[in-house]
Amino acid sequence: KQEVTQIPAALSVPEGENLVLNCSFTDSAIYNLQWFRQDPGKGLTSLLLIQSSQREQTSGRLNASLDKSSGRSTLYIAASQPGDSATYLCAVYPQGAQKLVFGQGTRLTINP
Amino acid sequence: NAGVMQNPRHLVRRRGQEARLRCSPMKGHSHVYWYRQLPEEGLKFMVYLQKENIIDESGMPKERFSAEFPKEGPSILRIQQVVRGDSAAYFCASSPQVTSWAYNSPLHFGNGTRLTVT
Repeated sequence: KQEVTQIPAALSVPEGENLVLNCSFTDSAIYNLQWFRQDPGKGLTSLLLIQSSQREQTSGRLNASLDKSSGRSTLYIAASQPGDSATYLCAVYPQGAQKLVFGQGTRLTINP
Repeated sequence: NAGVMQNPRHLVRRRGQEARLRCSPMKGHSHVYWYRQLPEEGLKFMVYLQKENIIDESGMPKERFSAEFPKEGPSILRIQQVVRGDSAAYFCASSPQVTSWAYNSPLHFGNGTRLTVT
């Protein structure tokens, strides 16, 4: 059974810092890994999707990496801003299971 | 081009009442997923449906919960005789028929229905 873990559960940093969010998963047989952002009381916004054959994806100040063999992904946020404050969710799409499996999220606070 | 639409956004029910949550998928999508998010937790898979067919309901509680996706109209998640533990945010996502495209494209979610049981 695929399990996804995100560390840390919460993170608070001053504005301008670069930061890394971690995601680990137990079964490397996946089609892709996705990072989402969730604002309080809102839905999920897709940030980045990394296919199983890829090592990383970039979008603006965000960079996500994937090491499938070790079951790890990181989301790197450069030059953080208060508007980046949100919960970040990692999810994997396991092979043979037509559904995403989510981690519990990292609640990020960027302090002005 | 509207995204995944869920209604109502907020729903308050007393214990013992029924809750009906609706999800209209993106245009052209024939598959719907329902997820539940308890406070301070990630999303937990509940059920995966295509029109007129339940594909995977392994995450659905055995009692009181049911889901359907009729040929016409939205998908419905129905919770009978609600209890306080059912209070959560319920999210819907949709996809086209599962193909290699679906494995390599992000899943799009609605804004959710927040159910409060008093």
